[in-house]
Amino acid sequence: AQSVTQLDSHVSVSEGTPVLLRCNYSSSYSPSLFWYVQHPNKGLQLLLKYTSAATLVKGINGFEAEFKKSETSFHLTKPSAHMSDAAEYFCVVSQTGGGADGLTFGKGTHLIIQP
Amino acid sequence: DAMVIQNPRYQVTQFGKPVTLSCSQTLNHNVMYWYQQKSSQAPKLLFHYYDKDFNNEADTPDNFQSRRPNTSFCFLDIRSPGLGDAAMYLCATSFLGLAGSEQYFGPGTRLTVT
Repeated sequence: AQSVTQLDSHVSVSEGTPVLLRCNYSSSYSPSLFWYVQHPNKGLQLLLKYTSAATLVKGINGFEAEFKKSETSFHLTKPSAHMSDAAEYFCVVSQTGGGADGLTFGKGTHLIIQP
Repeated sequence: DAMVIQNPRYQVTQFGKPVTLSCSQTLNHNVMYWYQQKSSQAPKLLFHYYDKDFNNEADTPDNFQSRRPNTSFCFLDIRSPGLGDAAMYLCATSFLGLAGSEQYFGPGTRLTVT
């Protein structure tokens, strides 16, 4: 069994300040982990993924995430928030190899950017 | 660009009137998924096709059906929409067999039931 917990349902930061979106997972297998972003009324866009290579993963738009097995965490960070980052962010875990039906979504974190 | 396309982007239907949502992909992926996403919630997997093999989630209502006539297209049929079926419906694809293969999502179809 696998599960994902996004620790904050809402995060509010000022433009230009760092962003931290927290995610903890549990998995019986070596997991693949993903962060997706969803802007209002849009589909999900992949930000980055971890697949047992480097533990620090760089994604698009300046986002990165660090896989910490000892803490079962995969937190998403960005050094400096931009207004366009305001969106819903989903942490997703998958069994190794992706699996056709192995995705588990977190409940999402709504990121608010204050001007 | 290779992509996942959903039509229409917005669909309004009447209570009980059958409706079909369409998804197509140019990625040549072997797996296609349909998700239902209600307001402020995570996407919920309804079913997926692995090539021609249909895989239904245990809690997907019988009211929801799907067809995949070929690799590129997949349809979601709602036989008798209820007010509770109003949601965003997301189509996604992946290529099973690649380690850590992510899913590629379409822009979604927002369904309104009147």
